[in-house]
Amino acid sequence: QITLKESGPTLVEPTQTLTLTCTFSGFSLTTAGVGAGWIRQPPGKALEFLGLIYWNDDRRHSPSLRDRVTITKVSSKNLVFLTMTNMDPVDTATYYCVHYLDFRTGKRYFDLWGRGTLVTVSS
Amino acid sequence: QSVLTQPPSTSGAPGQRVTISCSGGSPNIGSNSVNWYQQLPGKAPTLLIYNSYQRPSGVPDRFSGSKSGTSASLTISGLRSEDEAAYYCATWDDRMNEFWVFGGGTKLTVL
Repeated sequence: QITLKESGPTLVEPTQTLTLTCTFSGFSLTTAGVGAGWIRQPPGKALEFLGLIYWNDDRRHSPSLRDRVTITKVSSKNLVFLTMTNMDPVDTATYYCVHYLDFRTGKRYFDLWGRGTLVTVSS
Repeated sequence: QSVLTQPPSTSGAPGQRVTISCSGGSPNIGSNSVNWYQQLPGKAPTLLIYNSYQRPSGVPDRFSGSKSGTSASLTISGLRSEDEAAYYCATWDDRMNEFWVFGGGTKLTVL
């Protein structure tokens, strides 16, 4: 059974750097075709892709947030990290850690989501 | 402004069929398969359709997906009250070193 859980600060001040941790179980980030991503959702708004890290350390980022977002992993400890710099009130959102599968046949998807963590940016 | 366009809302009576559209372009829907997610109020999204038309284990066959050209659709047949939720389409975009894009979401109300 795959589980993912996000943890980190619930309140950050503007201009600060946010670091969130995703602790997962039930899969390995050393298995070919497996990845973990971060997706956020501002209150009452749509989902937004932030980034994705693959089993082989390849990464993808949202073009609009590329300069602010870094995703890293420690596969041996089943951990994935999201770092986002220069936080702003518009970054207030629920941040989700998500399990990802890529079959390299065109079939790829985020299938299992953590419960999410609400991060508020305010002074 | 989402890369993929969905109607903000739709509605239907129990037992009816509703279809939610998702419109994109050549670099995303036109080139890649589409996934659909259901988000119940206050919950995390769950995968409803993957690879444009396939259902994960446990998803009722009342839910079906299709894709044609640069558009995709999610159809819900035999509408039930528990289907009231927000629905999001998502796909891969081949531009700018590749990234995922989501639709703006469609809120389904069961009358």
